[in-house]
Amino acid sequence: DQQVKQNSPSLSVQEGRISILNCDYTNSMFDYFLWYKKYPAEGPTFLISISSIKDKNEDGRFTVFLNKSAKHLSLHIVPSQPGDSAVYFCAASMYSGGGADGLTFGKGTHLIIQP
Amino acid sequence: NAGVTQTPKFRILKIGQSMTLQCTQDMNHNYMYWYRQDPGMGLKLIYYSVGAGITDKGEVPNGYNVSRSTTEDFPLRLELAAPSQTSVYFCASSYSGDRVATQYFGPGTRLLVL
Repeated sequence: DQQVKQNSPSLSVQEGRISILNCDYTNSMFDYFLWYKKYPAEGPTFLISISSIKDKNEDGRFTVFLNKSAKHLSLHIVPSQPGDSAVYFCAASMYSGGGADGLTFGKGTHLIIQP
Repeated sequence: NAGVTQTPKFRILKIGQSMTLQCTQDMNHNYMYWYRQDPGMGLKLIYYSVGAGITDKGEVPNGYNVSRSTTEDFPLRLELAAPSQTSVYFCASSYSGDRVATQYFGPGTRLLVL
């Protein structure tokens, strides 16, 4: 039973446009959400996160939105750049104070930025 | 800082063989984790540790063992390799004092069991 779902395996966006990656979760005990970016043959790297007490967090070109009632979050990248082409993982945690029990990951969305 | 390092990068094992995947972090993080990623899937937690001498099972612990004798090292042991253990293994660490549960990942070990 997947508790974190990324229903789009891939997404193609033109350079300079907005990329929107979506994530749904089923476990209402999750209280912290993170997005990781992964290039081939490398480990995931942390991108941005959001606590369940917020509905938006922004960091440069990256913004994460959280809709708790819908159990849905999204990552917006504006403007999209060629270096953003990667697999993006949505992850969730039940312990925002330290994450001692590990993260629950979605299957990832492969973002392709077209020139 | 090197961050989280993992060795080897790639290994081929025969069914029934054993091996240890090494993981070291130099960030003085007290929490460490092992995940596996199968093709087209997300990462799944195998084991984690909240400090030296303390380990606990994650979602998919069967077929694996861990130990944590120092803050820096968290090796993962496969005793009797099976084809189902073909995967990419990632080690990660985090600091319990942080307000956010950000985990930092190593580059991964690709394991093929034939």
